[in-house]
Amino acid sequence: GAVVSQHPSRVICKSGTSVKIECRSLDFQATTMFWYRQFPKQSLMLMATSNEGSKATYEQGVEKDKFLINHASLTLSTLTVTSAHPEDSSFYICSARGRVPNEKLFFGSGTQLSVL
Amino acid sequence: GNSVTQMEGPVTLSEEAFLTINCTYTATGYPSLFWYVQYPGEGLQLLLKATKADDKGSNKGFEATYRKETTSFHLEKGSVQVSDSAVYFCALLSESGGSYIPTFGRGTSLIVHP
Repeated sequence: GAVVSQHPSRVICKSGTSVKIECRSLDFQATTMFWYRQFPKQSLMLMATSNEGSKATYEQGVEKDKFLINHASLTLSTLTVTSAHPEDSSFYICSARGRVPNEKLFFGSGTQLSVL
Repeated sequence: GNSVTQMEGPVTLSEEAFLTINCTYTATGYPSLFWYVQYPGEGLQLLLKATKADDKGSNKGFEATYRKETTSFHLEKGSVQVSDSAVYFCALLSESGGSYIPTFGRGTSLIVHP
């Protein structure tokens, strides 16, 4: 089946630094990528939706200048947490979908971000 | 490690039929269990959840009961509608070293015909 590779799996950084998370589709063209945030003991929260070659659409309450999403190619999307603060510490996960709109999502393995 | 197993489908039903999508899991500790739904062209939405054994989650006519003895969280609906056509993902959330990590099944496609 389709594979989505997410990297890094875990990152620890100092407050004020920026962190980039990559999400790659390894054997299909990911026309749409979704970025989620997992809060402790809660359900996933959709942060943004990005389509290849266009600007990401952010959910209400998500700061687009804080969470920069780039989807420059059909196999790569990145999420950059800029000027990270301890409250940004969370588990981030991407999911990707191919060209067919009702095709299943495939998930990355997630990134645990800890900001000191 | 943790894992979630669900039938991939597609499951094809006629409108008003009874739906069951099986989900079983392997996890350490006491995970929370979720069903998410992906409607055509959209991302994931939370459908229902249960946080402890014997809890029943319910929403929009869908139900699932957290069965610890059988490590299952099967999704059921008594009478499906065409609008229920979607992909359904079973997931668990467990704690590991202070982090809460989700694990997803591969998703089950449901097609409901009029």
